Amino acid sequence: GGIITQTPKFLIGQEGQKLTLKCQQNFNHDTMYWYRQDSGKGLRLIYYSITENDLQKGDLSEGYDASREKKSSFSLTVTSAQKNEMAVFLCASSIEADQDTQYFGPGTRLLVL
Amino acid sequence: GQQVQQSPASLVLQEGENAELQCNFSSTATQLQWFYQSPGGSLVSLLSNPSGTKHTGRLTSTTVTKERRSSLHISSSQTTDSGTYLCAIDRNNYAQGLTFGLGTRVSVFP
Repeated sequence: GGIITQTPKFLIGQEGQKLTLKCQQNFNHDTMYWYRQDSGKGLRLIYYSITENDLQKGDLSEGYDASREKKSSFSLTVTSAQKNEMAVFLCASSIEADQDTQYFGPGTRLLVL
Repeated sequence: GQQVQQSPASLVLQEGENAELQCNFSSTATQLQWFYQSPGGSLVSLLSNPSGTKHTGRLTSTTVTKERRSSLHISSSQTTDSGTYLCAIDRNNYAQGLTFGLGTRVSVFP
């Protein structure tokens, strides 16, 4: 077994601020993902990484940067928070990218004032 | 890109009733996963079933790949089954990650 932890659980930011979300996994999985969940919309992929130092853009990468510093961690940066933005950011991992179960963290809830 | 449609949008059950959730997708999927999202928001993988039939506990998933549809059957529902059930498929053949439907919100009452 293993676990994915995300920090912080809640993030309140100001418009224009740069905000960083962190994700750690101890599954020893190669691939990690960042998804965004908005009310009324399905989860959307922001970035993913198939190995340390690899970065691949998803469907919603504009406005975000990501960093895979080591195999166990994957960070996401909101480069300029948008006023009244409210979403949940979910980190996931899988052994390999293809045809494999993804395991999710508990999420970071973002509110921008 | 891929699109995923789930139906019904919501479902109300009395404890003990069965339920059938549907997932239709726009093109052939090599990955298909059903997830449960609790009212608190955490996402748990229930089944990975890109084709055929799979069972786990009171859950049965049947995927007919050629017809681009999958179903999740919940038998003898319990109040703890309440939450949102999400269907997800691979984004496309050459990109990683999943495309999700909007989910079916299930409420089970005693």
